[in-house]
Parts: sequence; structure tokens; C-alpha cells
Amino acid sequence: GENVEQHPSTLSVQEGDSAVIKCTYSDSASNYFPWYKQELGKRPQLIIDIRSNVGEKKDQRIAVTLNKTAKHFSLHIRETQPEDSAVYFCAASESRSTLTFGKGTMLLVSP
Amino acid sequence: GAGVSQSPSNKVTEKGKDVELRCDPISGHTALYWYRQSLGQGLEFLIYFQGNSAPDKSGLPSDRFSAERTGGSVSTLTIQRTQQEDSAVYLCASSFAPHQYEQYFGPGTRLTVT
Repeated sequence: GENVEQHPSTLSVQEGDSAVIKCTYSDSASNYFPWYKQELGKRPQLIIDIRSNVGEKKDQRIAVTLNKTAKHFSLHIRETQPEDSAVYFCAASESRSTLTFGKGTMLLVSP
Repeated sequence: GAGVSQSPSNKVTEKGKDVELRCDPISGHTALYWYRQSLGQGLEFLIYFQGNSAPDKSGLPSDRFSAERTGGSVSTLTIQRTQQEDSAVYLCASSFAPHQYEQYFGPGTRLTVT
């Protein structure tokens, strides 16, 4: 089955800095890679996803990159704000399988 | 419209008792997932339902765990003879179609086994 590793487990940045969270996956058949954000005490919510036919996707201050050869993908948040503080989960799946999630990264943005 | 709802929001039970957790998915969503989230851990997949197909039970940690989905809508996760290691937040999610579509999560049920 799929195995997703996520790093770092915690990340502290100053407001305005960039944050990068990295994930690796094991199943070369995986072709869908979503990122979920979970604020403290709230439910996870999808913030961006990428499919294997593209290498990069952007949405305002966030972007995700995918390297299929190396089997890794990353979430980039630029100009971080305190409201970006949350736990971020990456995940991977191929079309017939359920999502496998990473263990999460706690991002703390200090004012 | 209404999102995914779960009940109860909190459940405290004694070791050895059975518990039932309920999930009401978004109307029209054919796929329904149960996850377990322990402190410092990720989202551990438990079971998946899609329409009238047989559920994917590959994530259930033991035979004490079971789930059903009635009428393609409401789902119940049952844990029999609860153990302290079952303490966690149990999250339900639904999606319009399986696997590679956005999953909408419920608020979760926090289970504490004493």
C-alpha cells in the first residue's frame, strides 16, 4: 500500500516569511495529491490539490509542486499570516484507492 | 447547505463498553469515509463506503470495530469492548464521488475510554 512521509512535523516562521512543507510517497501509481488544513479545534478542509499531469499549481499565496520522478510534492505558503497557523496534512492516492495521509505539520506563524 | 454532521461531539465511556458514533453526510454524496485521529498522529483511514458497493474495511484496526451505512446515507461506527487505546477523535467525511474528489469532514466525535 501507499506510504506518505511528511516533514517537518512542526514549523515556526515569522509573519511575512515563506513556509515549505514536504511530502514523499511510495506508490508510483499515485496520481492525486491534496493538501488539507486543520485549524485548532476545527475540521480538516481542502486548500489545494494537484494531479499528476501538472508539475505546479498556484492559488493566491499557496502553491504546490510535484516531482513524479522523485515521488515528492511540496506545499509553499508565501507571505505567511497568523491565520495560516494550523496543522497541514498532505495525502496521496491512485484512482482506485482511498487517500493515505501524512502525519501532519503544525505551522505556527508569529506576528 | 448543511455540512457533514456527527454525534455525539464527545463521548466518555468505561473500558469494555460498546459505543456507537453517528455520521450524517452531505445529501447526494455517494462516498463516505471514517478516519481516526490520535494526538500527534495523522488521519488514519478506517473504512469507506461507496453507493451500494461492499465497503472497504481494510483500515479497521481490529474486529471490535465495525460500521454500516443505511440507505446510502447515515453511517454508524461501532466499537465493541472499548479499550483505552481507542481514545481518539473519530472523523467522518463525505465526497461527491470516490477517492479523488474533495472530502468534506464532519466536526468529529472525541472518544475517551476510561
